[in-house]
Amino acid sequence: DIQMTQSPSAMSASVGDRVTITCRASQGISNYLAWFQQKPGKVPKRLIYAASSLQSGVPSRFSGSGSGTEFTLTISSLQPEDFATYYCLQYNSYPRTFGQGTKVEIK
Amino acid sequence: QVQLVESGGGVVQPGRSLRLSCAASGFTFSSYGMHWVRQAPGKGLEWVAFISYDGGNKDYVDAVKGRFTISRDNSKNTVYLQMNSLRAEDTAVYYCTKRTFDYWGQGTLVTVSS
Repeated sequence: DIQMTQSPSAMSASVGDRVTITCRASQGISNYLAWFQQKPGKVPKRLIYAASSLQSGVPSRFSGSGSGTEFTLTISSLQPEDFATYYCLQYNSYPRTFGQGTKVEIK
Repeated sequence: QVQLVESGGGVVQPGRSLRLSCAASGFTFSSYGMHWVRQAPGKGLEWVAFISYDGGNKDYVDAVKGRFTISRDNSKNTVYLQMNSLRAEDTAVYYCTKRTFDYWGQGTLVTVSS
């Protein structure tokens, strides 16, 4: 099984900050990676697919990059509504596997 | 618009069974594979199972192999998760999602407790 390791597990940031979250795969997954945002009590929302493609309707301050084993989600200027938990997901092979999540909290 | 509506959750004793349903609308259901994903209280997301568009291919996370069965009825636009021999660690909100994880249902809570 492919293990997905996110870092950091949690972080504090201020409105306007640039935020970077990393996801590492235990083996190469090409660009078969998606990023999700989940707010408390809500359904996960896909932000990015194919490592760098922005989901329709998602603000352009979100971006994704990477290929192979190392991937990054960047929020260029953190907004109040972005405080949430973020997950990566590899869909290169079964079983599909999620990262453990990164909680972005208000500093 | 795409809608996925799960049902069938509830409180069940360890060792018992439960069947979840996910009714789909707003897209050509018979053309898409479907997944179940779960989230234990306060924990992260865990992929559980997948079924291909025609039901010919299925896959499961190791933790549920031999206990859970995913199936679908394309005439009813519904995907199912039959959960047998339930354990406390199966307690979670269960979501159904489209093949590419772009649409999710609102989830249904399964609580396994005596």
